[in-house]
Formats: sequence, structure tokens, C-alpha cells
Amino acid sequence: GQNIDQPTEMTATEGAIVQINCTYQTSGFNGLFWYQQHAGEAPTFLSYNVLDGLEEKGRFSSFLSRSKGYSYLLLKELQMKDSASYLCAVRDMSGSSYKLIFGSGTRLLVRP
Amino acid sequence: EAGVTQFPSHSVIEKGQTVTLRCDPISGHDNLYWYRRVMGKEIKFLLHFVKESKQDESGMPNNRFLAERTGGTYSTLKVQPAELEDSGVYFCASSQGGGLAIQYFGAGTRLSVL
Repeated sequence: GQNIDQPTEMTATEGAIVQINCTYQTSGFNGLFWYQQHAGEAPTFLSYNVLDGLEEKGRFSSFLSRSKGYSYLLLKELQMKDSASYLCAVRDMSGSSYKLIFGSGTRLLVRP
Repeated sequence: EAGVTQFPSHSVIEKGQTVTLRCDPISGHDNLYWYRRVMGKEIKFLLHFVKESKQDESGMPNNRFLAERTGGTYSTLKVQPAELEDSGVYFCASSQGGGLAIQYFGAGTRLSVL
């Protein structure tokens, strides 16, 4: 089966670092994506990993271990505007499509 | 450059009525996807177009849902007749290619069936 797990909610302090974990079990893995979504807005692409290791993009980094079915998103120097939902999604190639399979999302609250 | 746009942003209809959602992908993107999120659940795939052809419609819930992409540009998703369980947010995404191409999402259409 296909399953993606991530924590429902997290709270962190402005200026701090937070790590959002994601574990997955899918049959046709072809990359793991992280999106940010503010309420009522479009999910916005943040980062993706295809190979094992760390990808860094400014304040955001994403890590992947395919053998462990594990990824995390690291947010540094947290700002109030980082309060949002963070969606972990695996691209599944087991069918004829490049569909994304999403986790339920992690709601991050950044406090002053 | 304009992003993925969806219309309407919100639709409220009664059970049994018909609703048509529209998605305009980013210009030049051949791949167009429909997803939806029902209350309290994760975003789930509905179907995938490559140009005007349906590449994968394995996520379509039943035959009350009809998606089209005539001419390979914008797409419509029609629900007829709508049921209460169809309420949710319908997202559209587009990408320039398949494979590792990033999917860019619209803000979604919030459908409320009363």
C-alpha cells in the first residue's frame, strides 16, 4: 500500500530551527517533494529530493533517505510568516502517471 | 508569468445540482493534474492530462465526475449530480514535463454541497 506520515502540528519560536519529519511507503518512488501552504492559498513548491542526501535552498533544507523511507524539512531562522502547513508528497510512478501522493500535512505555528 | 488559475474560488450548490470547475495551467505546460482535499483528509490525486489526452484517471471517484481538456489548454471538471460527499477543495496543478518536473498548484476551488 501507499502511506505517508507526518506530524499533525508543531510549534516553534521565531528565530529558532524546526525539523518536520516525513516517512513514506510507496510502490513507485520517483522523488519526494515539500510544499508550503498558507490557509486558502495554493500549495507552493519548496524543495525536492530524488537521491539520498541534503538539498539546501536558503533557509530551507530537505533530506532524503530512500532506504529508510524517510525525509525531513529543516527550516532555519524561523519567521512569523513561516506559520503554515507543510505538505510532504511522494511522486509515484507505479501507474502511467506522475501523480503526487500527499501526507496530511504538518501545521506549523511560529510564536514570537 | 501567470501561475495556475482556478475559477471559481468558491462554489456553493445544492445536492443534485451540477457544477463546473475550471483550471488554466501555466502557459506551455502540457501536463495538467486535478487533485482534491475533502474535510480532514490529505490531498488526493484525481487525474492527469498530457495535452488533451487523459494519461491517468485512476483517482476519479465515480462517473459523476467528468474532466475535459479540449485543445490541450484549460481544463474543466464537472460534477453531475453533486452529492454531499463531493464537498472539499479541488486543486489543479500543471508541469512543463513529466518525470521530475515540478507541479505548480492553483489556489483551489472550495466546493460546498448542501
